[in-house]
Amino acid sequence: GAGVSQTPSNKVTEKGKYVELRCDPISGHTALYWYRQSLGQGPEFLIYFQGTGAADDSGLPNDRFFAVRPEGSVSTLKIQRTERGDSAVYLCASSSGTSAYNEQFFGPGTRLTVL
Amino acid sequence: LAKTTQPISMDSYEGQEVNITCSHNNIATNDYITWYQQFPSQGPRFIIQGYKTKVTNEVASLFIPADRKSSTLSLPRVSLSDTAVYYCLVGVSNSGYALNFGKGTSLLVTP
Repeated sequence: GAGVSQTPSNKVTEKGKYVELRCDPISGHTALYWYRQSLGQGPEFLIYFQGTGAADDSGLPNDRFFAVRPEGSVSTLKIQRTERGDSAVYLCASSSGTSAYNEQFFGPGTRLTVL
Repeated sequence: LAKTTQPISMDSYEGQEVNITCSHNNIATNDYITWYQQFPSQGPRFIIQGYKTKVTNEVASLFIPADRKSSTLSLPRVSLSDTAVYYCLVGVSNSGYALNFGKGTSLLVTP
């Protein structure tokens, strides 16, 4: 079956611009996670959704970052006034359970480059 | 979240067994140990999870001693396609929702 998909696969933007990154989770998965991965580092947790609500947004670095999941399926990560330090691969994962221990299925990521 | 320590990198030849050990001295009673694998330009993939003793699946084995202060991921007869980064994760955040991946172990398998 279809896995987690993310669009776009690559995004190049200029400093100060607004970007949206999209995640399509596995159908039926109620849990959705966003991570950010910098070169040479492991994924860093950003936010977790259970259904439509953000149950844990403690990983969002600042208020320029925001994510939504209005219908409990597709999620969009929004970054305002992008900075060069936002350049990274943004990963989305989904799972069928309510615990981080449940197997998380990751998408291929969106590589964001801020010039 | 328990702090984990694992080798930054390891090298192996094809066909060998590879053991990656992760130290987690401050593991909590309720913590599980989870390993993920990540190939270049892909998201991580769940490999195995355990609480104590030994867990085995079609991909790997996980050995956890009685004190649970370390764990060893064992990959039998590795192939070139096992070249990847392997992450040892212990516990979850206080909210119960976040995993801490750390930097992982970069495994290079050569012919």
